[in-house]
Amino acid sequence: TQLLEQSPQFLSIQEGENLTVYCNSSSVFSSLQWYRQEPGEGPVLLVTVVTGGEVKKLKRLTFQFGDARKDSSLHITAAQPGDTGLYLCAGGDYKLSFGAGTTVTVRA
Amino acid sequence: DAGITQSPRHKVTETGTPVTLRCHQTENHRYMYWYRQDPGHGLRLIHYSYGVKDTDKGEVSDGYSVSRSKTEDFLLTLESATSSQTSVYFCAISESGVTEAFFGQGTRLTVV
Repeated sequence: TQLLEQSPQFLSIQEGENLTVYCNSSSVFSSLQWYRQEPGEGPVLLVTVVTGGEVKKLKRLTFQFGDARKDSSLHITAAQPGDTGLYLCAGGDYKLSFGAGTTVTVRA
Repeated sequence: DAGITQSPRHKVTETGTPVTLRCHQTENHRYMYWYRQDPGHGLRLIHYSYGVKDTDKGEVSDGYSVSRSKTEDFLLTLESATSSQTSVYFCAISESGVTEAFFGQGTRLTVV
């Protein structure tokens, strides 16, 4: 059983639509990270959220850290085909653990 | 790009043979990690290291051992490979263990 649960596992949407990916845990984290991975590559960091209730924006991507620091969400506005990829949340001081990931496909 | 290199990039081996994967970094980061990635499981931590000769188990460590005799190298060994260890293996480094992790390109291992 993984410490971090991500949902949904798969998401397929049309270009221009919005989407939200969730990352939940029963544990409290001092910070959570979001990564994006493309086929054949290693994951690349998108953002780190540290403070409960924190909201960070990265262009069309909005990341939120829950008040209790047990959950996080990633919202993409007006998705584009270039947003296609595997999105992973990660947490845990020193012993960095990942969720199972959400595969996002944006159709043109 | 972070200086992290995995070798080999691809390997096919027979069941029961020993296999060693190498991760080399040029960033002098303290923390190094080995993950395996399988469909539907994301990245699962095998072992990690927090310094030379300092290692600890992850969530899927059975059948794997690691060694770190130098800051720059972290070796993952499958003592006797099994078909269930067919996977893509990623090495990652982190400066402090709580900051960004940088990943290698991955090693695709097939055990036949």
